[in-house]
Amino acid sequence: AQSVAQPEDQVKVAEGNPLTVKCTYSVSGNPYLFWYVQYPNRGLQFLLKYITGDNLVKGSYGFEAEFNKSQTSFHLKKPSALVSDSALYFCAVRDGDRGSTLGRLYFGRGTQLTVWP
Amino acid sequence: GAGVSQSPSNKVTEKGKDVELRCDPISGHTALYWYRQSLGQGLEFLIYFQGNSAPDKSGLPSDRFSAERTGGSVSTLTIQRTQQEDSAVYLCASSPTGGFFSGNTIYFGEGSWLTVV
Repeated sequence: AQSVAQPEDQVKVAEGNPLTVKCTYSVSGNPYLFWYVQYPNRGLQFLLKYITGDNLVKGSYGFEAEFNKSQTSFHLKKPSALVSDSALYFCAVRDGDRGSTLGRLYFGRGTQLTVWP
Repeated sequence: GAGVSQSPSNKVTEKGKDVELRCDPISGHTALYWYRQSLGQGLEFLIYFQGNSAPDKSGLPSDRFSAERTGGSVSTLTIQRTQQEDSAVYLCASSPTGGFFSGNTIYFGEGSWLTVV
């Protein structure tokens, strides 16, 4: 079975400081990992994904994520946080196994990021 | 359309009434998903359609919930005899299935906000 854990319900950082939102995963096959962001009263927006290749993935709005196979982690990072980055962030893993669940996304519970001025 | 379109964006209904929520996926996307997001909760998988295959209904919480997808495009999620615990945001998503399937990005709509009073 596939699962994702986001160990922090909330992350708070000052504007201009680096930020990290943590994610660990459990998969039975190859991991296909995604980050989404949700602003208040909006749907989910795709940020970035890891499929294969370089462990450091760059995405939208200056975000990047580092895939670490040995630690089964896919932490989201940004070198310098903005107040406008304040939102709810979801990590997700996609099922790459054969079978009826092929293609389904499994989400973490989300991490609320707050960036103060 | 350019993105996943959902309607209505907001729906207030009385307990016991039936509701229908509509999703129009991105043109050409053959995979379609419904998720539910309750206040303060994470994302709950409901149902997944992939082309002409039988849908994965394993996430539907009760037999009051059903979904169909006509012509491989538009999908309707129906909730019969609504209960207050059905109040949530219902998110639809779609993805292409060409190429490396599990690596394709899943795109979400803005959601349908359902309130049962």
